[in-house]
Amino acid sequence: DAGVTQSPTHLIKTRGQQVTLRCSPKSGHDTVSWYQQALGQGPQFIFQYYEEEERQRGNFPDRFSGHQFPNYSSELNVNALLLGDSALYLCASSSGAVFYEQYFGPGTRLTVT
Amino acid sequence: AQKVTQAQTEISVVEKEDVTLDCVYETRDTTYYLFWYKQPPSGELVFLIRRNSFDEQNEISGRYSWNFQKSTSSFNFTITASQVVDSAVYFCALYLSGYSTLTFGKGTMLLVSP
Repeated sequence: DAGVTQSPTHLIKTRGQQVTLRCSPKSGHDTVSWYQQALGQGPQFIFQYYEEEERQRGNFPDRFSGHQFPNYSSELNVNALLLGDSALYLCASSSGAVFYEQYFGPGTRLTVT
Repeated sequence: AQKVTQAQTEISVVEKEDVTLDCVYETRDTTYYLFWYKQPPSGELVFLIRRNSFDEQNEISGRYSWNFQKSTSSFNFTITASQVVDSAVYFCALYLSGYSTLTFGKGTMLLVSP
């Protein structure tokens, strides 16, 4: 049973560029949440997708957008990258019936230069 | 608004010592869940325990134990006879049913030396 997978593992981008990160949820899960973890900090909630809709959103600017596909996989897009967007981006999946049981992927480490 | 505070930034112990990680949370909700996660250097968050707000029974699982006290809004985590493999960053997190998201503390880095 595959757990949560994320791609790519590492990414280096330049300021002003755009980036897309991908997440495949654990088998049987239909909800995907994205978190940003800056160095030395705890993860911060970006948004959550359920039934292909953005269900909840944290305090992040509109440069951060997402999408959920019919197979429940999800993408996180960040436009106009800033140096401050450098972080570990974590994806967590859960079942709509049990939102609090969130299983995390290994993360994508984004470096903006 | 909800908040999780982990006052200990870094703790260093020698193998076989017991260590307690502190967590204090703030919420006005009466229904919530509390979690501890472990984050090794690889980066993946590993789930350790979940407690709901109606279950103050403390638990021991192997070398791990938890102390949940609603009166002081604390959810502390103890590792008995620590091992080098316990070295990681430990996060306490709060889940509110109305928000469906996790609010994390800043983490406590635990270094266990041989």
